[in-house]
Amino acid sequence: GDSVTQMEGPVTLSEEAFLTINCTYTATGYPSLFWYVQYPGEGLQLLLKATKADDKGSNKGFEATYRKETTSFHLEKGSVQVSDSAVYFCALSDQGGSEKLVFGKGMKLTVNP
Amino acid sequence: GAVVSQHPSWVICKSGTSVKIECRSLDFQATTMFWYRQFPKQSLMLMATSNEGSKATYEQGVEKDKFLINHASLTLSTLTVTSAHPEDSSFYICSAREGGLGGYGYTFGSGTRLTVV
Repeated sequence: GDSVTQMEGPVTLSEEAFLTINCTYTATGYPSLFWYVQYPGEGLQLLLKATKADDKGSNKGFEATYRKETTSFHLEKGSVQVSDSAVYFCALSDQGGSEKLVFGKGMKLTVNP
Repeated sequence: GAVVSQHPSWVICKSGTSVKIECRSLDFQATTMFWYRQFPKQSLMLMATSNEGSKATYEQGVEKDKFLINHASLTLSTLTVTSAHPEDSSFYICSAREGGLGGYGYTFGSGTRLTVV
């Protein structure tokens, strides 16, 4: 079945550091890819998404590019802030199937001042 | 944007009692709703998918008689944890999807922290 593998962490960075969270996927179809963020005690919020190869999703300084050849969707941010402290989930949606989301295990990021 | 309201945000109940969690789409019609369970420091585990007016589809290993899901209207789905036990304590999150294909439009509720004592 479809699956998502991502860095699990936890990761601690200093403010203004560069962030990369790796995410790779396995899917039989041609999935849409997502990054979700979960702040403490809250539900998930969509951070960015991409629906086809070479698409780049971006939001709040975060970016991720849909790489079909490497089945990857790595998340990057050039300069993290304390407010970016959260858990980040990579996910895919199989458009040809049940369309349910399949999540990676999530990675907790802590950014210190 | 689309908003999903989930209530209650937290609940404490005694072992053996039942708890109902509501998930409402406030400004769109949710043809499909998903219920997830999240264990501490772990990812979301899909429990079931519900479509308005039909029976929910449960994931393998999820007890349908214990986790009752009702999706009676296009804006409301409920999850009832029946005869709750301490091992049911968890964070439950619903997600609603507006009609149409393409992987768009998944909106999550803010979650419900259930503690069974």
